[in-house]
Amino acid sequence: DVVLTQTPPTLSATIGQSVSISCRSSQSLLDSDGDTYLNWLLQRPGQSPQLLIYSVSNLESGVPNRFSGSGSETDFTLKISGVEAEDLGVYYCMQATHAPFTFGSGTKLEIK
Amino acid sequence: EVQLQQSGAELGKPGTSVKLSCKVSGYNIRNTYMHWVNQRPGKGLEWIGRIDPANGNTIYAEKFKSKATLTADTSSNTAYMQLSQLKSDDTAIYFCAMDPFDYWGQGVMVTVSS
Repeated sequence: DVVLTQTPPTLSATIGQSVSISCRSSQSLLDSDGDTYLNWLLQRPGQSPQLLIYSVSNLESGVPNRFSGSGSETDFTLKISGVEAEDLGVYYCMQATHAPFTFGSGTKLEIK
Repeated sequence: EVQLQQSGAELGKPGTSVKLSCKVSGYNIRNTYMHWVNQRPGKGLEWIGRIDPANGNTIYAEKFKSKATLTADTSSNTAYMQLSQLKSDDTAIYFCAMDPFDYWGQGVMVTVSS
């Protein structure tokens, strides 16, 4: 199974600060169809996960553009440019290239 | 508007089974895959498997192959997951999600206790 290693496990940020989360895969997530199925999700406290970014860098509809994703093959990054209070929660990367699909262990974002 | 409405919380005894439902409105499930994901108390997300409602084809994570059975009823636009031989370790929140994970159900708590 593909292992996704997320760092850091926790992140503490002030409002307006920019932060980044890393997700490293144990194998390439480039699919044979040419797409790379690496997604980023946010789970706010007590809520269902919410898709933020799909296929590495595509912003899901309705998601603020302070969120951005980048990377390729095995190395991926989620950046929040100017953290807002509503961004607190746990961020997960997940891959949907290789079955079984797998999630990273999560990064908890706290607001100082 | 697409919505996924999951059935209510379940309390099951060890060794029994429960069947969870996920009713989709606003989208025909024949045109997508339906995934199931769990989250044990205080833990991260874990993919259980997916079903193609159009033909019933399923893929499971290895550890859930003898635990979970995914089905779908296209006439009612509903996906189901049966969990069998319940153990305390199955206590978790179970989510359904539409491919590509852009819509999620609200989650249902399954508690296994004698």
